[in-house]
Amino acid sequence: DTEVTQTPKHLVMGMTNKKSLKCEQHMGHRAMYWYKQKAKKPPELMFVYSYEKLSINESVPSRFSPECPNSSLLNLHLHALQPEDSALYLCASSQESRGIDYEQYFGPGTRLTVT
Amino acid sequence: AQKVTQAQTEISVVEKEDVTLDCVYETRDTTYYLFWYKQPPSGELVFLIRRNSFDEQNEISGRYSWNFQKSTSSFNFTITASQVVDSAVYFCALSEAVLYKLSFGAGTTVTVRA
Repeated sequence: DTEVTQTPKHLVMGMTNKKSLKCEQHMGHRAMYWYKQKAKKPPELMFVYSYEKLSINESVPSRFSPECPNSSLLNLHLHALQPEDSALYLCASSQESRGIDYEQYFGPGTRLTVT
Repeated sequence: AQKVTQAQTEISVVEKEDVTLDCVYETRDTTYYLFWYKQPPSGELVFLIRRNSFDEQNEISGRYSWNFQKSTSSFNFTITASQVVDSAVYFCALSEAVLYKLSFGAGTTVTVRA
């Protein structure tokens, strides 16, 4: 079962709102990732969690706050976002983050619109 | 410097035509991995193949085939007898020991017309 699920599928939020994106995988993977993807661009890495600890933060603004409650779940808390943060947010998982040979499996994404 | 170059931005073909997507990469590592992902309009990136730097054997999976040539730093992808369902954006990606993360190419949009 190579499935990563993400909720919600679509999210519209105002610049003063607080919301959360959720990601779940049941493949026993120990690395989980958040990516941001703008239209007609490749995904950009935001955060990497390895064994439930934040291992990479790609200089993401503090209005994005990741959380890994357990090995299967990954959240992305959003507050005070800007319209330019509107994008597709993708979650992915892999066996490990330090092993370069492990493919990442992606979820369907959350399409976020900030008004 | 861009590590993965996909020179073709868009390719449009008629159903049953073959289509080849080019991917050129740049790395100083001797151990690295190359990947291809498909992103249909629904948005999810679908893993297609992984190839390590020590294995230059070409691979075929159904209508998909991949040609890896270290001499030209290329990892090209061919879809044989294309179908409308092949319409998607295809990304080539590189994983290196130094960075421990994927470097994606810009992507190639493939449109297959019935």
